Amino acid sequence: LAKTTQPISMDSYEGQEVNITCSHNNIATNDYITWYQQFPSQGPRFIIQGYKTKVTNEVASLFIPADRKSSTLSLPRVSLSDTAVYYCLVATQYNFNKFYFGSGTKLNVKP
Amino acid sequence: NAGVTQTPKFQVLKTGQSMTLQCAQDMNHEYMSWYRQDPGMGLRLIHYSVGAGITDQGEVPNGYNVSRSTTEDFPLRLLSAAPSQTSVYFCASSHTLHGGALGAGELFFGEGSRLTVL
Repeated sequence: LAKTTQPISMDSYEGQEVNITCSHNNIATNDYITWYQQFPSQGPRFIIQGYKTKVTNEVASLFIPADRKSSTLSLPRVSLSDTAVYYCLVATQYNFNKFYFGSGTKLNVKP
Repeated sequence: NAGVTQTPKFQVLKTGQSMTLQCAQDMNHEYMSWYRQDPGMGLRLIHYSVGAGITDQGEVPNGYNVSRSTTEDFPLRLLSAAPSQTSVYFCASSHTLHGGALGAGELFFGEGSRLTVL
């Protein structure tokens, strides 16, 4: 089971780039790395998913090194509205019972 | 644009009472699941289903029952509520793999149901 380890919390200021790293040493060949964002009193929301190298969409980038034992979510120029909990999830649809979320990283963006 | 709908949003029970949390999705997703979220614990998988008539246990299934008679609905039943089941419950759904499609699927979550057991 590919468990993940993330920092419990991070602080940043508006306009800065934020990088959140997730460790997943036991990642399997078929596993994908997915990040979710959760605001208070809401369900998590999908941000980005990748398998290797770099993936970029309109809100974030995901960097995955060649050994895939870690990944980094990069949020460019954060704003106060990016204050949320960010979850790293390693899973594959071959094993639906493996959709486990860890405790996540609480990002606090300050003005 | 309903997505995943959970009812009720809030519920207070007494120990030993039973109740059902409802979850419905209108995206024709095969996969549906229930999570509970406790402070500092993140989300923990309770039960999941990969299609009508198919269910399986997740990480913390004890005290909960599920069934999947239709693609759209996935109710979670508490047969005899206990204070340890006080939590926020989230239902999620996603498409499953088709013909070798890649990825782990994007989970769509409901807004949650806050349950308090006294």
